[in-house]
Amino acid sequence: DAGVIQSPRHEVTEMGQEVTLRCKPISGHNSLFWYRQTMMRGLELLIYFNNNVPIDDSGMPEDRFSAKMPNASFSTLKIQPSEPRDSAVYFCASSPSLNRQFNQPQHFGDGTRLSIL
Amino acid sequence: AQTVTQSQPEMSVQEAETVTLSCTYDTSESDYYLFWYKQPPSRQMILVIRQEAYKQQNATENRFSVNFQKAAKSFSLKISDSQLGDAAMYFCAYRSQGGSEKLVFGKGTKLTVNP
Repeated sequence: DAGVIQSPRHEVTEMGQEVTLRCKPISGHNSLFWYRQTMMRGLELLIYFNNNVPIDDSGMPEDRFSAKMPNASFSTLKIQPSEPRDSAVYFCASSPSLNRQFNQPQHFGDGTRLSIL
Repeated sequence: AQTVTQSQPEMSVQEAETVTLSCTYDTSESDYYLFWYKQPPSRQMILVIRQEAYKQQNATENRFSVNFQKAAKSFSLKISDSQLGDAAMYFCAYRSQGGSEKLVFGKGTKLTVNP
């Protein structure tokens, strides 16, 4: 089975440019998560969706960040305008949260390493 | 809010030996899940083992086992017969059962395996 697919794997861009990160969750998974990993703050949740609806976006740092999930098989995380402090590894994860009573682990993509110059 | 603490930024072990990685957490909830994820240099996040808080029996997965102490809010990972491929960052994570589905991660422990 295909895992969570993220693209691009690496992105280098100049400050002020728009950046779009993409994620395809595992088929049948109805929860999707965006995490950011930095040396200073570790792994932190930015936003998560359930059945394509944003449930918790409290981790989104500011208005420059936005995320969408137009359908069950695709999500984007956009940063506009980008800043050097946005440099990090961004992970997408998905899980089959059919019932919270069950322990459904999250499956992670390989991440996008973003560098803002 | 829940917090997860990994007090050992780095650990090392000799190949074939046993090592234990520590994790403590803070929560007011009674039902929750705990996980250990491994992140090798390739950057993948790989699930190693998971534990439901309502289960008293410690989870095991081959060479990996946990020591879950609910009253102490402790969740340590034991790796037996360490192999070179076990070298990685290890992250402890917490997830509520009834609330948010998000994972709350510790800062990680870097494990080095010496030949």
